[in-house]
Amino acid sequence: DSGVTQTPKHLITATGQRVTLRCSPRSGDLSVYWYQQSLDQGLQFLIQYYNGEERAKGNILERFSAQQFPDLHSELNLSSLELGDSALYFCASSVDFRTSGNTIYFGEGSWLTVV
Amino acid sequence: AQTVTQSQPEMSVQEAETVTLSCTYDTSESDYYLFWYKQPPSRQMILVIRQEAYKQQNATENRFSVNFQKAAKSFSLKISDSQLGDAAMYFCAYIRETSGSRLTFGEGTQLTVNP
Repeated sequence: DSGVTQTPKHLITATGQRVTLRCSPRSGDLSVYWYQQSLDQGLQFLIQYYNGEERAKGNILERFSAQQFPDLHSELNLSSLELGDSALYFCASSVDFRTSGNTIYFGEGSWLTVV
Repeated sequence: AQTVTQSQPEMSVQEAETVTLSCTYDTSESDYYLFWYKQPPSRQMILVIRQEAYKQQNATENRFSVNFQKAAKSFSLKISDSQLGDAAMYFCAYIRETSGSRLTFGEGTQLTVNP
């Protein structure tokens, strides 16, 4: 158990819908990362937050947004869903983004299936 | 941009034998960290081993060890006394030692352990 908690574990929804994925980082971790893993692609970095502020943005679509709340949990919002958005979405956390060598621990992921 | 390359899409090993997974990376940075993550069929991302670029000594974790060649930008993972539970997808990952950086992953190597 990495200590990073993601909910829901599995989600099936229809095209055009909106979903929210939730992540609770490890106790004491201030930095949260979101990654997408599709079947035919590797792990793609989406976005990073540190102590409530956005710190880095990767290949995140405009239909997607995220935020980190004062209690440090984070949510990834996916809207106008398309079939191609079906993927495993990982949340990860680390203590401090300023020390990038801090190990990044991953949650178990949220499986999203768009039908 | 930093890239990570795993040239072996698939590898297999006999139980109790030793196998080495290859990884090369491209960076102009001098300070960075390298990781190997394991992704079993459950799809959870599990940290296997971590290496700091400024350390010449190769990291070791029980049956797992790395051969870090900084000049050659090579970071291979050696698994000794392979066990059935080692069967998984293995990802090599890189992160810079600067704020706001994120893990860059290789394409992965699927390891099969034969009884």
